[in-house]
Amino acid sequence: EDQVTQSPEALRLQEGESSSLNCSYTVSGLRGLFWYRQDPGKGPEFLFTLYSAGEEKEKERLKATLTKKESFLHITAPKPEDSATYLCAAGGTSYGKLTFGQGTILTVHP
Amino acid sequence: GAVVSQHPSWVICKSGTSVKIECRSLDFQATTMFWYRQFPKQSLMLMATSNEGSKATYEQGVEKDKFLINHASLTLSTLTVTSAHPEDSSFYICSAYPPEAFFGQGTRLTVV
Repeated sequence: EDQVTQSPEALRLQEGESSSLNCSYTVSGLRGLFWYRQDPGKGPEFLFTLYSAGEEKEKERLKATLTKKESFLHITAPKPEDSATYLCAAGGTSYGKLTFGQGTILTVHP
Repeated sequence: GAVVSQHPSWVICKSGTSVKIECRSLDFQATTMFWYRQFPKQSLMLMATSNEGSKATYEQGVEKDKFLINHASLTLSTLTVTSAHPEDSSFYICSAYPPEAFFGQGTRLTVV
């Protein structure tokens, strides 16, 4: 059974304090590792897809990396508007079907 | 990116009534759509996979007679919650494939 585990459950940062979120996965035939941002009461907003170990993608203050067992979402010099729940999801052999982690609730204080 | 639209964004219904939620792919054709459910402070749990022109595939533990899914066209899938009860209150979210990465904005269902 595919499994995705995220840590920490919650993370509080001061504005400008860089950190990383972790996503560990056990998936048969990984086709893609996805990162999303979710604001309260809204659907997940797509951030990145990573397809193979060693791949990295960046968007503004966010950088996602992938190894054979885990993915990291690095947040550089975060701002209060980066506060949200960050979800990691893995796509396995069933096309389009994603297994989600529990999410990391990020709070950035000014 | 691709746009997936859900309607309504929120709905309140009385216990025992049925509610229909629509999921549309606005700028692409979706052969498969997925329906997820999210409880407060929890992650997304897949309920069912909807394929255009065929019966939906439900995840273990999901009542197919309670959650009716129809995928009549390449741009529209509907989820009908039948005989709704307060425990069905939740946040329902759809996604469309291809591409697989994009989700609708979600529908907050409250059954009173």
